Amino acid sequence: GAGVSQSPRYKVAKRGQDVALRCDPISGHVSLFWYQQALGQGPEFLTYFQNEAQLDKSGLPSDRFFAERPEGSVSTLKIQRTQQEDSAVYLCASSLDGAVNQPQHFGDGTRLSIL
Amino acid sequence: DQQVKQNSPSLSVQEGRISILNCDYTNSMFDYFLWYKKYPAEGPTFLISISSIKDKNEDGRFTVFLNKSAKHLSLHIVPSQPGDSAVYFCAADTSYGKLTFGQGTILTVHP
Repeated sequence: GAGVSQSPRYKVAKRGQDVALRCDPISGHVSLFWYQQALGQGPEFLTYFQNEAQLDKSGLPSDRFFAERPEGSVSTLKIQRTQQEDSAVYLCASSLDGAVNQPQHFGDGTRLSIL
Repeated sequence: DQQVKQNSPSLSVQEGRISILNCDYTNSMFDYFLWYKKYPAEGPTFLISISSIKDKNEDGRFTVFLNKSAKHLSLHIVPSQPGDSAVYFCAADTSYGKLTFGQGTILTVHP
């Protein structure tokens, strides 16, 4: 498909386990964003990549959260030693070049549940 | 500190009537505003946007109005259709696309 693809769609993990969430952006999109959406809230910014460079990670809640995009296309969000408060939907979005006035296109998200 | 607020958690309208969704913001550095629509178990879908240099942008049944002095924007849907039933998020941007979202408004359009 031509849209942003995220996998897995659902992930259940026990507290303390590590998880990895994958995002395949739209082909050719330079900018990639990760957001966290808690139940009943709007998405909240986590981190931003332009190509392979992580230019802003100010939204990552703790040092347990780590994101990478080594070849400037696919990105992985990793959460180490998961906690119950990490339960949320994690959304990935991409845009053509990240400039202002460029709408972001979102994937369907990964719903993460920590038991 | 909620910089973008949607004060109405829900809105119910009759098919064919106008739906008006509102959004307020506090950060005067925001210069680009967007509306997204979200169905359950799907990601947000871009609807319409407006730059701070404009006060109105129209796309088919959707019109966004921006009042910079009041730091307020609204989305008008005319005529409303049952398929418009979804959660609507407004979002604001200051620079490269780091969006700040409101909490969302659930729109229900009754046949």
